[in-house]
Amino acid sequence: DVKVTQSSRYLVKRTGEKVFLECVQDMDHENMFWYRQDPGLGLRLIYFSYDVKMKEKGDIPEGYSVSREKKERFSLILESASTNQTSMYLCASSLGGTGTRSYTFGSGTRLTVV
Amino acid sequence: KQEVTQIPAALSVPEGENLVLNCSFTDSAIYNLQWFRQDPGKGLTSLLLIQSSQREQTSGRLNASLDKSSGRSTLYIAASQPGDSATYLCAVKPPDSNYQLIWGAGTKLIIKP
Repeated sequence: DVKVTQSSRYLVKRTGEKVFLECVQDMDHENMFWYRQDPGLGLRLIYFSYDVKMKEKGDIPEGYSVSREKKERFSLILESASTNQTSMYLCASSLGGTGTRSYTFGSGTRLTVV
Repeated sequence: KQEVTQIPAALSVPEGENLVLNCSFTDSAIYNLQWFRQDPGKGLTSLLLIQSSQREQTSGRLNASLDKSSGRSTLYIAASQPGDSATYLCAVKPPDSNYQLIWGAGTKLIIKP
C-alpha cells in the first residue's frame, strides 16, 4: 500500500523553538508539497519541491524553510515557532510533470505552539 | 487570480438522500478539477478528477460534473450513507502550472442516520 508518512500526528511546541516536521513517501514521486490547513481558509501551499535539493516558495513561505536531501523525504522547518503557526500541516506528493492524478496526502500533523 | 469557492461550508442531510455539493471557480482556463475527501483529523483522499475536456466522471455512487463556461463543478452523491460524512474539497489545476492546485475551503457533510 503506497503511502505518505508524516512523523508526528500531534506536536506541542513552545514559542521560539525550532520545529522540524518530517514527511516520507514510498512512491518514487518527483514532487512533494507542504500545506497548512486552517478552518475556513482551505489548503495553503507553503513550499514545494520538484526534485532533490530543489524547492520553490508557495503562497505563504514566511517563517518556514524546507529541506529535500533525498527524493523520498521532505522536511518542513519552523525556524522560530510562533503562535500563529498553530495549524494542521499536510504533506503531499505527486508524479512529476502534470501528475495531479497521483496526488497523495499524508495524515497530517496538528501543531500547537504555546 | 484564480479563486475557488465552496458553498455551503456545512451541510447536514438524512441518510438515504441524494445530494449535491458545489464548487465554483473564477477563471474558466483550467487544466483539470479534482474532488477530495477528508475525514476528521486525517489527510485527503482523491475521489474524482475531471480533465478540462471532460464533462463528468463517475465512481460508484459519486458523479462529478464540470461546466467550465459557468465556472462550476458539482459532486453528486447518490443514496447517502453515514460513512459519507466527511469534508469534501475541490481543487483546480491552472493550465500554466505543473505543480500547483488552487483549493476551495471545503464543505463539511454530515449524514444523519
